[in-house]
Amino acid sequence: AQSVTQLGSHVSVSEGALVLLRCNYSSSVPPYLFWYVQYPNQGLQLLLKYTTGATLVKGINGFEAEFKKSETSFHLTKPSAHMSDAAEYFCAVSFNAGNNRKLIWGLGTSLAVNP
Amino acid sequence: DADVTQTPRNRITKTGKRIMLECSQTKGHDRMYWYRQDPGLGLRLIYYSFDVKDINKGEISDGYSVSRQAQAKFSLSLESAIPNQTALYFCATSDYGTGGQETQYFGPGTRLLVL
Repeated sequence: AQSVTQLGSHVSVSEGALVLLRCNYSSSVPPYLFWYVQYPNQGLQLLLKYTTGATLVKGINGFEAEFKKSETSFHLTKPSAHMSDAAEYFCAVSFNAGNNRKLIWGLGTSLAVNP
Repeated sequence: DADVTQTPRNRITKTGKRIMLECSQTKGHDRMYWYRQDPGLGLRLIYYSFDVKDINKGEISDGYSVSRQAQAKFSLSLESAIPNQTALYFCATSDYGTGGQETQYFGPGTRLLVL
């Protein structure tokens, strides 16, 4: 069965430090991969997505993610954390397997940024 | 103006009451979704609709019903609310890219408390 795993439900970093949020998926077919962010008291918004082509994807607010097929991973990174990055981050996957496909969501990672 | 709106934003109700959560979108998308979010459980799909005449159950549809009144409107009803339906509810829409490249756009959420 297809699934998404986000390692670490809570991650804490210092302001200016590297942000690394992990996402692994399981699938027998090529995936489409997404990262969404949820700021406090808001809905989710798309950070970035991988569909085809270049495996390093750049998103909003300085975030990027790299699709590694051999590792079935799509980790989210940012070189230098800002206080405003504190939020909940969700990894999601869909698969090109018919018209009734839906997004499969990870459980989310809460990012705290310490001054 | 927001592309996806939800009303009400907050609601307190009592066990056994029927309530309706409403979602409207101006994005012109055919696909709409209802999710609930609970701490530690991520997003769980309640119902989804690929067009006005196509409504499907998600993974946790028991106790809920929906109505797709028009392309732009998708309502979620709790026929007889119970306390474990206390959660944050999100409506989302999506464009349908080829091969699964759809991106979901979320409303701001409705925070529901069932006493």
